[in-house]
Amino acid sequence: GAVVSQHPSWVICKSGTSVKIECRSLDFQATTMFWYRQFPKQSLMLMATSNEGSKATYEQGVEKDKFLINHASLTLSTLTVTSAHPEDSSFYICSARDQGTNEKLFFGSGTQLSVL
Amino acid sequence: QKEVEQDPGPLSVPEGAIVSLNCTYSNSAFQYFMWYRQYSRKGPELLMYTYSSGNKEDGRFTAQVDKSSKYISLFIRDSQPSDSATYLCAFNTGGFKTIFGAGTRLFVKA
Repeated sequence: GAVVSQHPSWVICKSGTSVKIECRSLDFQATTMFWYRQFPKQSLMLMATSNEGSKATYEQGVEKDKFLINHASLTLSTLTVTSAHPEDSSFYICSARDQGTNEKLFFGSGTQLSVL
Repeated sequence: QKEVEQDPGPLSVPEGAIVSLNCTYSNSAFQYFMWYRQYSRKGPELLMYTYSSGNKEDGRFTAQVDKSSKYISLFIRDSQPSDSATYLCAFNTGGFKTIFGAGTRLFVKA
């Protein structure tokens, strides 16, 4: 299956700093990528849809100035958590849609963010 | 009524048991049906994908779709401790968004 690489796997940062998470589709082109947040023992919560070359679409209740998304190429999307606070601590996961199979999503391995 | 219903469990079974995981849905526009497996602190992995009613088998896994009842199942035969994970059902109409179930936590005891 298609491979999505997500980095870093773990990040610990101080409150007030910004953190960037990268999501790359390694062997396919992805015009659309998705960013999720997941709390312990809960399902995926869609945060935003990232479209190559255009602005991301955010789900209701997600602050676009807090969670900056850039999808500059067909293989890379980034999520920047700006001025992180402890309540932003969570597991963040990206997924990418293979252009050839619109229905299949392939996920990155996730990033555990801990804000001190 | 929720668009997708999935019992979160946890479900605990002995090694070698047959596991049955289920989801119901209300949106008749769903055309694609998927099962993902997620290990703790990892991204979900696509296990099964189908778009028609009936059964699809892949090794120890069988996905079953009943569109008339709006019900999908995942069966795991000869379950192993390594199958312990959260299983998410997922649905797509053919559009951009995929709708996920809450996930069922499965524990297979050795």
